[in-house]
Amino acid sequence: LAKTTQPISMDSYEGQEVNITCSHNNIATNDYITWYQQFPSQGPRFIIQGYKTKVTNEVASLFIPADRKSSTLSLPRVSLSDTAVYYCLVGDSSGGYNKLIFGAGTRLAVHP
Amino acid sequence: GAVVSQHPSRVICKSGTSVKIECRSLDFQATTMFWYRQFPKQSLMLMATSNEGSKATYEQGVEKDKFLINHASLTLSTLTVTSAHPEDSSFYICSAVPTTDRSGNTIYFGEGSWLTVV
Repeated sequence: LAKTTQPISMDSYEGQEVNITCSHNNIATNDYITWYQQFPSQGPRFIIQGYKTKVTNEVASLFIPADRKSSTLSLPRVSLSDTAVYYCLVGDSSGGYNKLIFGAGTRLAVHP
Repeated sequence: GAVVSQHPSRVICKSGTSVKIECRSLDFQATTMFWYRQFPKQSLMLMATSNEGSKATYEQGVEKDKFLINHASLTLSTLTVTSAHPEDSSFYICSAVPTTDRSGNTIYFGEGSWLTVV
């Protein structure tokens, strides 16, 4: 049973802001929300992580509403190099470590 | 940032042989590492959790005798695909949790290893 639900694909153009929303209705109290980016034939790369409200770093922002049942990754002014698969994950922290179960991810295509 | 290295990055082996893939945390110690498999155009599938000094924990449907995992030190976990068959051809990715991260929320991924069984 998938822990997260994301759109399968999205299209955008260079310079636009892209928002990818993820649903995680069964998120547990201790779970953090983490987003990864993956290019073909590479391992996932950490983008951002948050627990609640808003988190911002040099590449993205993460918006989490009060109920934490969803989250939105915001990529400002995307470029062609942002074409990748984006995964939203909530950790299963039982057992003392965060076992990440990947969902299908969102394939973002950025067009010129 | 922290680096997790996999070796080899690509390997081709003959059907029926075994192949070992290494996952090393280069600048941190990792009590826990994870192994994933990814087929083309699909998501990562968690295969097993590797714990230093103890037996790995396998996900449902993953044959432990087929995919041998050894986590002999705090910086190295190995995945051995035994008696490989063409259907084992896939992209194998490891990840590691720094021992110093008590929350377990910081996870670093390796670059992945392509296995082709011919």
